[in-house]
Amino acid sequence: GAGVSQTPSNKVTEKGKYVELRCDPISGHTALYWYRQSLGQGPEFLIYFQGTGAADDSGLPNDRFFAVRPEGSVSTLKIQRTERGDSAVYLCASSPQENTEAFFGQGTRLTVV
Amino acid sequence: GEDVEQSLFLSVREGDSSVINCTYTDSSSTYLYWYKQEPGAGLQLLTYIFSNMDMKQDQRLTVLLNKKDKHLSLRIADTQTGDSAIYFCAESYSGAGSYQLTFGKGTKLSVIP
Repeated sequence: GAGVSQTPSNKVTEKGKYVELRCDPISGHTALYWYRQSLGQGPEFLIYFQGTGAADDSGLPNDRFFAVRPEGSVSTLKIQRTERGDSAVYLCASSPQENTEAFFGQGTRLTVV
Repeated sequence: GEDVEQSLFLSVREGDSSVINCTYTDSSSTYLYWYKQEPGAGLQLLTYIFSNMDMKQDQRLTVLLNKKDKHLSLRIADTQTGDSAIYFCAESYSGAGSYQLTFGKGTKLSVIP
C-alpha cells in the first residue's frame, strides 16, 4: 500500500494478557517509530528503529513493552501482562531516513478491560 | 526534559484567520512541526520549519518561529469547516542519535459556519 499500515485497527484484551501490534511501514523507509497516544494527550515517543536495530528505546515505559523489526521492514510492538493503563492508541510512523518527514499510520486502539 | 505547550481550544468563524500558538523548551530543537489530526484518523504533517528559519509560508498556512522566546505559531488563512481538527505542535529532539518527536497536547480548532 501507499501508506503506513497498522493492524489490528482495534484490539480489546483482558488485563494480564499478551498483545502484539503490527506496523507495515512505507516500502523503502529505513526509520520507524512507535508512539502512544492516551486520551486527550499528544503522542508520546516509545521507540525508534533505524533498519533492524532499536536506535533509541528510551520511551518504553517498562520491561513489559518490547518491539522488534527483524528484517528492517515490518515491526511488532509486544506488550506482556497488559494493564488497564496501557489502554491508548498506538501509532507507528516511518520516514525515508532519520529526521525527515515522518508518515503516521492510522493507529491501533488498544483497550484493556 | 523537553516540554511543548499549547492552548487546548480555539474557535473561529469560517473565513476568518486562525492562529494556533505553541511554546517549547528545548533550545537544541532542529525542526518544529505542525500536525493535524481529524477524528479517528492518523496524524497528517501540515508543515515544518527548520530552527534557523523565522517564517515559512505554504498556501494558506504561515508558520512563524521566534527562537529567542521559543514560540511557534501556525496561521491558517480563510479558515474552512474542513480545517476543524486537533493541531499538534511538535519538536524533534536529535540527542543520542535519535529523532524522536515531542508533541504538545494539541489545540482543538472548531470552525463555526
